[in-house]
Amino acid sequence: SAVISQKPSRDICQRGTSLTIQCQVDSQVTMMFWYRQQPGQSLTLIATANQGSEATYESGFVIDKFPISRPNLTFSTLTVSNMSPEDSSIYLCSVDRGQPGGEQFFGPGTRLTVL
Amino acid sequence: AQKVTQAQTEISVVEKEDVTLDCVYETRDTTYYLFWYKQPPSGELVFLIRRNSFDEQNEISGRYSWNFQKSTSSFNFTITASQVVDSAVYFCALSEAGQGAQKLVFGQGTRLTINP
Repeated sequence: SAVISQKPSRDICQRGTSLTIQCQVDSQVTMMFWYRQQPGQSLTLIATANQGSEATYESGFVIDKFPISRPNLTFSTLTVSNMSPEDSSIYLCSVDRGQPGGEQFFGPGTRLTVL
Repeated sequence: AQKVTQAQTEISVVEKEDVTLDCVYETRDTTYYLFWYKQPPSGELVFLIRRNSFDEQNEISGRYSWNFQKSTSSFNFTITASQVVDSAVYFCALSEAGQGAQKLVFGQGTRLTINP
């Protein structure tokens, strides 16, 4: 399994500001995924980030609100822009084995609170 | 469209009891994959098991066992002789084959509390 780290682990932000979350993997991976877990809820996929191309966003999520960078095969960032209290969630990145139906391994998450 | 339903929102049992967590899924694909993840209070997601749609064999791993039945579109998870450390939120998830990236669709989760 991959070892995944995220920074920051948690943050408290003011409404209207932006936060960039970093995700670092200890091995090269093709696909990285960003999920959101709202308080007491399940995980929802925000977007899939493939190195060298634009991220693919799921319905309900847009690039202007959640810009993603994927500069190399071990790193990605997710920015939560112009935050509101509704953005308070845990944001998790994950990677898979790069084979069909492979399990995904998750980072520890970034717990974001927006005041 | 894919959908995963975990009808049990919360379950509370006394230690050493057996407990089964239900998972029902919907998909139009004939090739798909099912997963269970554990999310303890610390928040990280821990992978437990993966099953593909062509393998209906039940699996046992220590006190954990999984029952996959395509006829009822279910992939249930049983913990035998539960322990306090089993307390967590458990998620069932589904992904469909093809199209490269594997999108995981999660159920709503079941919060399991094991009381001493």
